[in-house]
Amino acid sequence: EVQLVESGGGLVQPGGSLRLSCAASGFTFRSYWMSWVRQAPGKGLEWVANIKQDGSEKYYVDSVKGRFTISRDNAKKSLYLQMNSLRAEDTAVYYCARDGLPFDHWGQGTLVTVSS
Amino acid sequence: QSVLTQPPSVSAAPGQKVTISCSGSSSNIGNNYVSWYQQLPGTAPKLLIYENNKRPSGIPDRFSGSKSGTSGTLGITGLQTGDEADYYCGTWDSSLSAVIFGGGTKLTVL
Repeated sequence: EVQLVESGGGLVQPGGSLRLSCAASGFTFRSYWMSWVRQAPGKGLEWVANIKQDGSEKYYVDSVKGRFTISRDNAKKSLYLQMNSLRAEDTAVYYCARDGLPFDHWGQGTLVTVSS
Repeated sequence: QSVLTQPPSVSAAPGQKVTISCSGSSSNIGNNYVSWYQQLPGTAPKLLIYENNKRPSGIPDRFSGSKSGTSGTLGITGLQTGDEADYYCGTWDSSLSAVIFGGGTKLTVL
């Protein structure tokens, strides 16, 4: 069974940093693109970033370019999102998703709240 | 303002049929596959339809998808109260080099 478990969310002040992790199991992690997708409270889905199987290609939504970095460790079957210079508008539930376009498996999400 | 346009809400009675539209452009739906996701209250999204009209294993055939030009459509027949959820379309946008989603449609089963 495919499982994706996010962690690392929490409350952070504007301008602060946070690192999200996603632990994958139940499939060959190194064979898939992976993505982060977020959902602000009461709002719709927004794709944030994705990363190729070997980490050689990464893409970001314009609003996080230069602030967020996606990475992966295939040996640890883990996906990461380093978030710097956080803003109030980054407040959201962040989902890790297996990315085959479509996103065929999702984690349960981790809440990031940016507030002073 | 989403690049893909969905109606904010739709409603129908149990047992009836409903369709949800997703309108885009040539840079997204017109040249890429459409997928559909169901998000039940308080849960993570779940894939319902991929590659315009294919259902993952375990998704009942009450759910169907289609695409014509720059629009996609999700159909749900035999509505059940358990179908009450938010539904999102998604695709790749070649101009933005980004995955995009519609704004979501809230389905109410009256």
